[in-house]
Amino acid sequence: DQQVKQNSPSLSVQEGRISILNCDYTNSMFDYFLWYKKYPAEGPTFLISISSIKDKNEDGRFTVFLNKSAKHLSLHIVPSQPGDSAVYFCAANRWGSQGNLIFGKGTKLSVKP
Amino acid sequence: DAGITQSPRYKITETGRQVTLMCHQTWSHSYMFWYRQDLGHGLRLIYYSAAADITDKGEVPDGYVVSRSKTENFPLTLESATRSQTSVYFCASSEHSAYNSPLHFGNGTRLTVT
Repeated sequence: DQQVKQNSPSLSVQEGRISILNCDYTNSMFDYFLWYKKYPAEGPTFLISISSIKDKNEDGRFTVFLNKSAKHLSLHIVPSQPGDSAVYFCAANRWGSQGNLIFGKGTKLSVKP
Repeated sequence: DAGITQSPRYKITETGRQVTLMCHQTWSHSYMFWYRQDLGHGLRLIYYSAAADITDKGEVPDGYVVSRSKTENFPLTLESATRSQTSVYFCASSEHSAYNSPLHFGNGTRLTVT
């Protein structure tokens, strides 16, 4: 059973507009969440994270929102740029699980000029 | 060069052969991980290691063997390759555990089993 779900395989956005990528999780024990970005032929790179004690974390154009009651998090990219075109993975972990970071299937973002 | 490197980048092997994928990191990170990426599945954890000589299974360990005799190396061996092991394999490391410590990934090994 999938514990981390990214239900949108792809998203297309115009340059300069907001990109919103969504992620749902089923395990209520998860308390640490991350987003990774992946370009073709490269490994994923860490983008931003959030702990369950927060509901928002910002880093430049990237903001992650966490809604614990809905078991939902989202990544907002404002403004979107063509270089943001990549696959975005949501990942989750829980205290006591040192190694087992669980990833979603990814959402492919295309930002059109 | 500093960082995490995987070799080879591409590998074609036949069913039943043993194949080893290499991973080397220069940061002296404690934790190292092996993931596989498949269409429709995202990234799935195969094995991870908390330190030299300490390894543990992930979500999909069957058919794989790992070892970690030195902190900087974490090879992944497919003892008898099967077509279902055709995938892109990513090695990663983190300074501390995967809990609240970002993983740093290599660029992957694309393995094809014929």
